[in-house]
Amino acid sequence: EPEVTQTPSHQVTQMGQEVILRCVPISNHLYFYWYRQILGQKVEFLVSFYNNEISEKSEIFDDQFSVERPDGSNFTLKIRSTKLEDSAMYFCASSEAGGLAGMETQYFGPGTRLLVL
Amino acid sequence: EDKVVQSPLSLVVHEGDTVTLNCSYEVTNFRSLLWYKQEKKAPTFLFMLTSSGIEKKSGRLSSILDKKELSSILNITATQTGDSAIYLCAVEVLFGFGNEKLTFGTGTRLTIIP
Repeated sequence: EPEVTQTPSHQVTQMGQEVILRCVPISNHLYFYWYRQILGQKVEFLVSFYNNEISEKSEIFDDQFSVERPDGSNFTLKIRSTKLEDSAMYFCASSEAGGLAGMETQYFGPGTRLLVL
Repeated sequence: EDKVVQSPLSLVVHEGDTVTLNCSYEVTNFRSLLWYKQEKKAPTFLFMLTSSGIEKKSGRLSSILDKKELSSILNITATQTGDSAIYLCAVEVLFGFGNEKLTFGTGTRLTIIP
């Protein structure tokens, strides 16, 4: 069964460093998302991406964050200068279509646990 | 601000018991409500509900949406230790043209004691 994959599974970095989290969405999916879950808290929406541009972003997704689809398969989240409070589990999700195109579910990857020291 | 509230936050029951998990929401541009099961890592999809009153069922799990009351329940009958997980309720909202996002509740942590 097709699935969303994410790398790395764990990343430890120093405050102020740049990190890139990678995701490979399900191959026929067109809509991509990033969410994060700080330990013990709820899953929060960060950004959605379609047709090579951001569709929507939350207030968490500030100038330190960026997303990119560098090729036909990868979808990346970059944090330019990490802060302690960026420590969280980051989930990538994808869906075949968006809201008006049909009843499409978002499927989640296994997550990348980011720890900023 | 869109809001999804789940209750209880935590539930401990014995194997074989039946449990009911609750989710209520307050959002603009509601499109659907989804239930996910989160074990060690990523949420795995259980159900998507868009129409009020229709029960979705999969084995021992079932769920109903009440759009009038802006709520949903997830029932698990004859619970097993493998049902131990965090159950997340998420509401899908539409914005713009064809765009959607999920707003999650904090989850209900379900523990099944053998």
